Amino acid sequence: QQKVQQSPESLSVPEGGMASLNCTSSDRNFQYFWWYRQHSGEGPKALMSIFSDGDKKEGRFTAHLNKASLHVSLHIRDSQPSDSALYFCAASEHRSPNTNKVVFGTGTRLQVLP
Amino acid sequence: GPKVLQIPSHQIIDMGQMVTLNCDPVSNHLYFYWYKQILGQQMEFLVNFYNGKVMEKSKLFKDQFSVERPDGSYFTLKIQPTALEDSAVYFCASSSGLGGLEQYFGPGTRLTVL
Repeated sequence: QQKVQQSPESLSVPEGGMASLNCTSSDRNFQYFWWYRQHSGEGPKALMSIFSDGDKKEGRFTAHLNKASLHVSLHIRDSQPSDSALYFCAASEHRSPNTNKVVFGTGTRLQVLP
Repeated sequence: GPKVLQIPSHQIIDMGQMVTLNCDPVSNHLYFYWYKQILGQQMEFLVNFYNGKVMEKSKLFKDQFSVERPDGSYFTLKIQPTALEDSAVYFCASSSGLGGLEQYFGPGTRLTVL
């Protein structure tokens, strides 16, 4: 059973457009949510974190978390071709002093068309 | 920013052989992770390691897998013996702490088992 589902699987937006990515968790123990971006041939790189309900904005990126519905989203405004990548939602649970379980979502492949 | 290095970038071996994947984590980080990614798809957690011990592992972390970090050198993932289904890209990550702290990923090692 997949604990972190992302939608859509793939998304194409025109340059300058808005991209919206969604993530839903099935585990209420998850406390911390991250968005990671992975360009082809590279490792994932953290974009932003969100731990509290509501919106968090960093430049062109806005994350939204609703803990009641276990839903987190990422919105990219003014999308650029360099935003084309695989985006992962990651949820983590701090289980014990030295254990941190992180579950990655299924991924959304974003293509920004020039 | 902080960098995680992985050596080698690509390894091709015959089924049944042993392979060791090496990771040089961020210098002041204390928590280390291995993930498996197949065909640019989902990132799957394998194991997390702290203070010389495996703290948590997934069902993907088979008995043939082992990790260690002898004397602060490379953090290694050893697979012995390898199987065809072990072909994947393996990513190492490290973090300075747990909970909501960011994990920094290396560029990955592509393992091909023939």
